[in-house]
Amino acid sequence: GNSVTQMEGPVTLSEEAFLTINCTYTATGYPSLFWYVQYPGEGLQLLLKATKADDKGSNKGFEATYRKETTSFHLEKGSVQVSDSAVYFCALNPQAGTALIFGKGTTLSVSS
Amino acid sequence: DAGVIQSPRHEVTEMGQEVTLRCKPISGHDYLFWYRQTMMRGLELLIYFNNNVPIDDSGMPEDRFSAKMPNASFSTLKIQPSEPRDSAVYFCASSLASGGRETQYFGPGTRLLVL
Repeated sequence: GNSVTQMEGPVTLSEEAFLTINCTYTATGYPSLFWYVQYPGEGLQLLLKATKADDKGSNKGFEATYRKETTSFHLEKGSVQVSDSAVYFCALNPQAGTALIFGKGTTLSVSS
Repeated sequence: DAGVIQSPRHEVTEMGQEVTLRCKPISGHDYLFWYRQTMMRGLELLIYFNNNVPIDDSGMPEDRFSAKMPNASFSTLKIQPSEPRDSAVYFCASSLASGGRETQYFGPGTRLLVL
């Protein structure tokens, strides 16, 4: 079946540190991959996405590359800020017209 | 666009009461999703609609839960009777079909507490 596995949190970093949140997936076919972010008390917002192998999604300094050979979509940022503190969800869309399948989320806490 | 609108934002009720959650999707979107978020289970899909028709309701926990989409701009999720274990954040999301590349846009959620 289809599934998403994210690294367990919480991840605690100092401001300007490098961030990696690992995400691997299992899927049949060619899914689209997403990272969503949830700030405290809010709904989920799309952070970035990639729709085919080797695509790189990027937004607000965050990047993730769709790696079909390793079935991964790791999220990276070169220099985190306190305002990046949130919960990050990796998700896949297995095929058109279906719901997203989410990982369990990774909490990021950045201190100044 | 106003985004996905959900109401109420917070609901506190007593066990056994009926709860109705409401959602207005983004205009023009043809998919609508209801998710539930809890600490124990994370984000779970409850049901989704395409062009107002329920496509997959396998995530609906039991007969106490029901969802309707009477038109393209409104959906409800009803719990009757409510139980403490229904306490969670309920999200509505909508999207426009684009061959699997579609982005789902989430509402702010309804935080439900059943006492």
